[in-house]
Amino acid sequence: GAVVSQHPSWVICKSGTSVKIECRSLDFQATTMFWYRQFPKQSLMLMATSNEGSKATYEQGVEKDKFLINHASLTLSTLTVTSAHPEDSSFYICSASAGERPGELFFGEGSRLTVL
Amino acid sequence: LAKTTQPISMDSYEGQEVNITCSHNNIATNDYITWYQQFPSQGPRFIIQGYKTKVTNEVASLFIPADRKSSTLSLPRVSLSDTAVYYCLVGPARGATNKLIFGTGTLLAVQP
Repeated sequence: GAVVSQHPSWVICKSGTSVKIECRSLDFQATTMFWYRQFPKQSLMLMATSNEGSKATYEQGVEKDKFLINHASLTLSTLTVTSAHPEDSSFYICSASAGERPGELFFGEGSRLTVL
Repeated sequence: LAKTTQPISMDSYEGQEVNITCSHNNIATNDYITWYQQFPSQGPRFIIQGYKTKVTNEVASLFIPADRKSSTLSLPRVSLSDTAVYYCLVGPARGATNKLIFGTGTLLAVQP
């Protein structure tokens, strides 16, 4: 199956710093990628839809200036958490559709962000 | 996007068959039903997908009644390693945005 890779898998940073998380589709091109966040013992919450070559579409309640998304190529989308604070600590997961099956998404391994 | 409802949790023992039912009363005509499995600190993994009737693969079966307002994921002879959260999602077909919204999921706990 298609492979989606995230980096880093975990990161610890100080409050006020910015953190970038990369999401790559390794063996297919993804014009659209999705970013989710997941708090402990909760479900995945869709944050935004990342579109190659255009602005991301954010879900209601997600601050676009806080969570910067860039999708500069067909295989790479990045999520930058700007001026991170402890409440931004979460598990961030990206996904992409390879088009093999309708509605099927391939997910990255996730990136755990801890803000001190 | 169709909303889904699943039991919050289920318990089972090794070797048993487990059936997890999902309700999606407002499923659209072109929506597919997809199930994902998630282990702690990992991204979800595709299990099975269907549109109607029954679908079977090497790990599970998916039963969908004629009205498509619900679906049942069947895991034969579960093992301890099947302990995970199982999500039922309903989403549009290829060509659409494939934007999927996750519900609460079902935490399946398999005991020895």
